[in-house]
Amino acid sequence: GQQLNQSPQSMFIQEGEDVSMNCTSSSIFNTWLWYKQDPGEGPVLLIALYKAGELTSNGRLTAQFGITRKDSFLNISASIPSDVGIYFCAGPILTGTASKLTFGTGTRLQVTL
Amino acid sequence: NAGVTQTPKFQVLKTGQSMTLQCAQDMNHEYMSWYRQDPGMGLRLIHYSVGAGITDQGEVPNGYNVSRSTTEDFPLRLLSAAPSQTSVYFCASTSRGGAFFGQGTRLTVV
Repeated sequence: GQQLNQSPQSMFIQEGEDVSMNCTSSSIFNTWLWYKQDPGEGPVLLIALYKAGELTSNGRLTAQFGITRKDSFLNISASIPSDVGIYFCAGPILTGTASKLTFGTGTRLQVTL
Repeated sequence: NAGVTQTPKFQVLKTGQSMTLQCAQDMNHEYMSWYRQDPGMGLRLIHYSVGAGITDQGEVPNGYNVSRSTTEDFPLRLLSAAPSQTSVYFCASTSRGGAFFGQGTRLTVV
């Protein structure tokens, strides 16, 4: 099936550092979504992107919809311990008349003091 | 302000047993879906529904059945549980703004 490739797979950073991660696909997407999952919880939507080239912020998080529509980037500035978790990108794949939301394999973020 | 509610949160089954994972949403979304999450594999789509009475298969549908008799409810049934179905299961309810997830059901099949 369709794959969304996320990198890096995991990151260990110090508190206060900036974080960058990305998501790429071999197919074009019309929407990119970024989620965060805390341990033992379901994923929570962070940012939604709907237009190629769009740059959207949510507090210390900034995400960009790549111009080629085959990639997206998520940046976290000045990381804090509560940023720990798994970050997923996702995008809808149109099949017939419905869309299936496909997820990347995730980037696991660890923040050390 | 419940959002998406999944029950149970934890379940242990013996191989061959059947059970139903419940999912309910109060956001009046037409689109609902079930995912399973395994280590290193992200979230994989099992089944989805675009409205009451309409369901379709996702990426990993084998061993699971679904039905959608109302907009609010989307149960997932395991007819004969297998150890390979040990996983964390998430139900999601989707609007244009994205998918909203329940807290998950951690299922162990022994």
